[in-house]
Amino acid sequence: LAKTTQPISMDSYEGQEVNITCSHNNIATNDYITWYQQFPSQGPRFIIQGYKTKVTNEVASLFIPADRKSSTLSLPRVSLSDTAVYYCLVAEGAAGNKLTFGGGTRVLVKP
Amino acid sequence: GAVVSQHPSWVICKSGTSVKIECRSLDFQATTMFWYRQFPKQSLMLMATSNEGSKATYEQGVEKDKFLINHASLTLSTLTVTSAHPEDSSFYICSASTVGEQFFGPGTRLTVL
Repeated sequence: LAKTTQPISMDSYEGQEVNITCSHNNIATNDYITWYQQFPSQGPRFIIQGYKTKVTNEVASLFIPADRKSSTLSLPRVSLSDTAVYYCLVAEGAAGNKLTFGGGTRVLVKP
Repeated sequence: GAVVSQHPSWVICKSGTSVKIECRSLDFQATTMFWYRQFPKQSLMLMATSNEGSKATYEQGVEKDKFLINHASLTLSTLTVTSAHPEDSSFYICSASTVGEQFFGPGTRLTVL
């Protein structure tokens, strides 16, 4: 399984855009990139998944360069409720296979 | 999205007793369920992969005789922590997999006194 590296923590302010970059140099051809959000004492919640280029949904965008060795999760106009830990995962196929969680990025949104 | 439930949401038990945690996929059938453990301020650690009707596959370092996993149906997997000790106190999270997606339960907080 490809190992991921992401910043330990990030601080931001309400209304700002937050970009979290994840490195996955050993990503394999069949691997997808998935991001999860976790609040304290809750299970992770799926945010977005992509294979290449750009993916956008109602809560975030995911940017994946051509070499796929990194990816950037973009959270537009964050609010206090976006304070959470964000995990970048790489897994073969879609998210139906076992996932290896890295350290995650603790995002603190300040007023 | 699909819903995964866990029961109980929290449990406190005495050292030496066994505790069973249930994981249910409420509106879909899950051929595979996963069990994770999470200590405070740490990431999720995969404990085992559970497939319906077959024995679970445990990750290295996880004692299969201590953490008994049963996946009797496509909607239910159970994790039993046998002879629990204070060091087993943790947040246990399950996930259920269907075609192309994996959904996580809300977690179960286990405290062993």
